[in-house]
Amino acid sequence: DADVTQTPRNRITKTGKRIMLECSQTKGHDRMYWYRQDPGLGLRLIYYSFDVKDINKGEISDGYSVSRQAQAKFSLSLESAIPNQTALYFCATSDFGRDTGELFFGEGSRLTVL
Amino acid sequence: AQTVTQSQPEMSVQEAETVTLSCTYDTSENNYYLFWYKQPPSRQMILVIRQEAYKQQNATENRFSVNFQKAAKSFSLKISDSQLGDTAMYFCAFDSGGTASKLTFGTGTRLQVTL
Repeated sequence: DADVTQTPRNRITKTGKRIMLECSQTKGHDRMYWYRQDPGLGLRLIYYSFDVKDINKGEISDGYSVSRQAQAKFSLSLESAIPNQTALYFCATSDFGRDTGELFFGEGSRLTVL
Repeated sequence: AQTVTQSQPEMSVQEAETVTLSCTYDTSENNYYLFWYKQPPSRQMILVIRQEAYKQQNATENRFSVNFQKAAKSFSLKISDSQLGDTAMYFCAFDSGGTASKLTFGTGTRLQVTL
């Protein structure tokens, strides 16, 4: 089984719908991140969390919200999806104790908003 | 804020040849970390190589090596003896490390390895 698991892997939805992308990890890492990947733009940080009680906005947080339900779980919500939120979304974790910055990624969730 | 620039959107190399992917970054930090990630068609993000800024020696991992020029803020990736399996998107990334650790990525270079 993957160390960082994202669900769903693929999702097609309609404008205005509420969508939740879920992420769980078995690596025991404190830090979790949500990134968005768009062609020609690379990966951009949406939200990140350094522990259960810590939530921080990234560079593109508008239109998104997150919930850190436990150390191992970090969910991303789109309250009212719009077409320009069509993208590949990645959850990632890192280990603060190692302090090297390396991220461990899930397999990605491709979201299409019609 | 840190920025990472990859100026080559696409590159092509023949099998067994060597190719170099460019990356530059902007930061006022003195200690930081740099990464190259590979994303094959499977879309999984895979760490290729990592460099700590305080280390002068360039990192190497088998056929992959970097040319880290701290003063020039340049971090290029060299792939030797290219293989078909190296076909992928390659992302350069920067992390300032420490308590506020979070990666900033470049826009990526799509590498095609041909026969």
